[in-house]
Amino acid sequence: QVQLQQSGPGLVEPSQTLSLTCAISGDYVSSNTAAWNWIRQSPSRGLEWLGRTYYRSKWYDDYAVSVKSRITVNPDTSKNQFSLQLNSVTPEDTAVYYCARATSAGSYYAFDIWGRGTMVTVSS
Amino acid sequence: QSALTQPASVSGSPGQSITISCTGTSSDIGTYNVVSWYQQHPGKAPKLLIYEGSKRPSGVSNRFSGSKSGNTASLTISGLQAEDEADYYCCSYAGSGTFDVLFGGGTKLTVL
Repeated sequence: QVQLQQSGPGLVEPSQTLSLTCAISGDYVSSNTAAWNWIRQSPSRGLEWLGRTYYRSKWYDDYAVSVKSRITVNPDTSKNQFSLQLNSVTPEDTAVYYCARATSAGSYYAFDIWGRGTMVTVSS
Repeated sequence: QSALTQPASVSGSPGQSITISCTGTSSDIGTYNVVSWYQQHPGKAPKLLIYEGSKRPSGVSNRFSGSKSGNTASLTISGLQAEDEADYYCCSYAGSGTFDVLFGGGTKLTVL
């Protein structure tokens, strides 16, 4: 079955870059019928979709307006994984970060497979 | 865009049915039939229950059903069981020319 394994630091200093990786098993980051997403959850902001990457003859990425100037989601086909980079973080970026898959079966707006989540705290 | 609006809490007794509403606008739920619903137990990742408004993924109990009327989507849970006690979230494409995805604020279901 499809599984997503997240990795990355749990503590990031203010103004630095938050970096997380999501390793995929049972599917491919270059699948033509999937999109690979990052979603975060905090008590103050609830669930918040951040962005995604997907392959349709070439690579595409889409980002939430709220973080568009600070975020990059990149695929890594050699390791079958994708990553999140969020620049210039503040304590407001403290949250549990999830990676998640969406497929054509849900019009790419239903997240059927989720990673276990990574609690990231922004603090000095 | 604003988050979708859900009631903060609902409750019901075992065996009963409950409905959770999710209100958006004509730009999101009212136009696009891509509402999804998630169940989240404490400390766990959300689990997909419903997609495209009313479709159930394989393995999800038929006690969970979804519907939509105008700008409001609804999740109904029938035959309530103790293990249904959890937080429930709705989700939709935001529309308005963006790629954004909106989530509801979540509803805490208590099984009495």
